[in-house]
Amino acid sequence: QSVLTQPPSASGTPGQRVTISCSGSSSNIGSNYVNWYQHLPGTAPKVVIYSNNQRPSGAPDRFSGSKSGTSASLAISGLQSEDEADYYCVAWDDSLFGWVFGGGTKLTVL
Amino acid sequence: EVQLVESGGGLVQPGGSLKLSCAASGFTFSGSAMHWVRQASGKGLEWVGRIRNKANNYATAYAASVKGRFTISRDDSKNTAYLQMNSLKTEDTAVYYCTRLLYIADGNWFDPWGQGTLVTVSP
Repeated sequence: QSVLTQPPSASGTPGQRVTISCSGSSSNIGSNYVNWYQHLPGTAPKVVIYSNNQRPSGAPDRFSGSKSGTSASLAISGLQSEDEADYYCVAWDDSLFGWVFGGGTKLTVL
Repeated sequence: EVQLVESGGGLVQPGGSLKLSCAASGFTFSGSAMHWVRQASGKGLEWVGRIRNKANNYATAYAASVKGRFTISRDDSKNTAYLQMNSLKTEDTAVYYCTRLLYIADGNWFDPWGQGTLVTVSP
């Protein structure tokens, strides 16, 4: 079981808005930034959101992030077929003294 | 080009050892904290551990699942990080990625990542 909890799957049709949740605790999400990675099979993971809600250079503005208390969310608006991938949330955990990942959410574009 | 290239993966028996290497190029390796992340087949990403830079005394930290069995080291003269894996278990079977923790003014994230190297622990 992962320290951060994500739904195993999510789906949407092209153009829709989908959200992926990530639940943690006071020692990780509650006290540290959350980053989100997109991972396509056979490729290296790529950050799409850092510091809860910041988009790195090159990430489409369709991606947005938010955090409230011990939970965080990734939203993808105007869903496109190339968004189909696995998405992971990650945060530093003060109690475990290490980075903790969510279990990942497989996003399917129908 | 900013790049990380892992090597050293392979098949090893339970209880055995293996040492992975991560060669860096295109950025100031000596100033960077280097991390290892793994992914077992059909599973999610799992942070393995990290080594900080000289200014931070090359401090290491490990996930509980590997602590006492895995050791991360680095050779700044060779721009290379290493992951020494001892007392390997079947559950250590995974693709192992090395990555840098990139710091900017308002946050940090893992970038770049290597292509990954497969470690298979099997009798």
